[in-house]
Amino acid sequence: AQSVAQPEDQVNVAEGNPLTVKCTYSVSGNPYLFWYVQYPNRGLQFLLKYITGDNLVKGSYGFEAEFNKSQTSFHLKKPSALVSDSALYFCAVSRSYNTDKLIFGTGTRLQVFP
Amino acid sequence: DVKVTQSSRYLVKRTGEKVFLECVQDMDHENMFWYRQDPGLGLRLIYFSYDVKMKEKGDIPEGYSVSREKKERFSLILESASTNQTSMYLCASSGNGLIQPQHFGDGTRLSIL
Repeated sequence: AQSVAQPEDQVNVAEGNPLTVKCTYSVSGNPYLFWYVQYPNRGLQFLLKYITGDNLVKGSYGFEAEFNKSQTSFHLKKPSALVSDSALYFCAVSRSYNTDKLIFGTGTRLQVFP
Repeated sequence: DVKVTQSSRYLVKRTGEKVFLECVQDMDHENMFWYRQDPGLGLRLIYFSYDVKMKEKGDIPEGYSVSREKKERFSLILESASTNQTSMYLCASSGNGLIQPQHFGDGTRLSIL
């Protein structure tokens, strides 16, 4: 069965420093992977997705994610964190190649300190 | 921009009541989803609809039902509300084509007393 794990409940980083939010997955077949962000009192917003091709995927707000097949990881990264990046981040994997149904991780809260 | 609108941001109901949560999307999307979000558990899929009058159970359908009479509207129904259904409920939609991003509403925080 497909699954996704976010091993850190919270990540703290100083403004201006690089940030990484970790995600690992377990799928049969090719993985289709997503990152979403949730700001307080809002729904989730799509950041980026990996379907195939280049292992480095660029998304919204300066975020990018690196797909690593050998380590079954899809970590979210940003070179220079902003206080406004503080939010809840969710990694998700598609349940199969022919459906839009996703399995979400438990979320990682990113706190960026001034 | 896709807009997914959930009818209520906050809702308080009593145990045993029948509760309706409404969701409307304005982008002619085929797929619509209902999730509940609980701390430490992430998002869990309750029901999924891929067309008008079509629905599939998700991971936690017990105690819930859904209705999709029109393409733009997807309703979640709590047949007899219980306290363990207190949660944040999120509606989402996605369009045609494989592996499309889901677009979310802002959620309904439901409290069952």
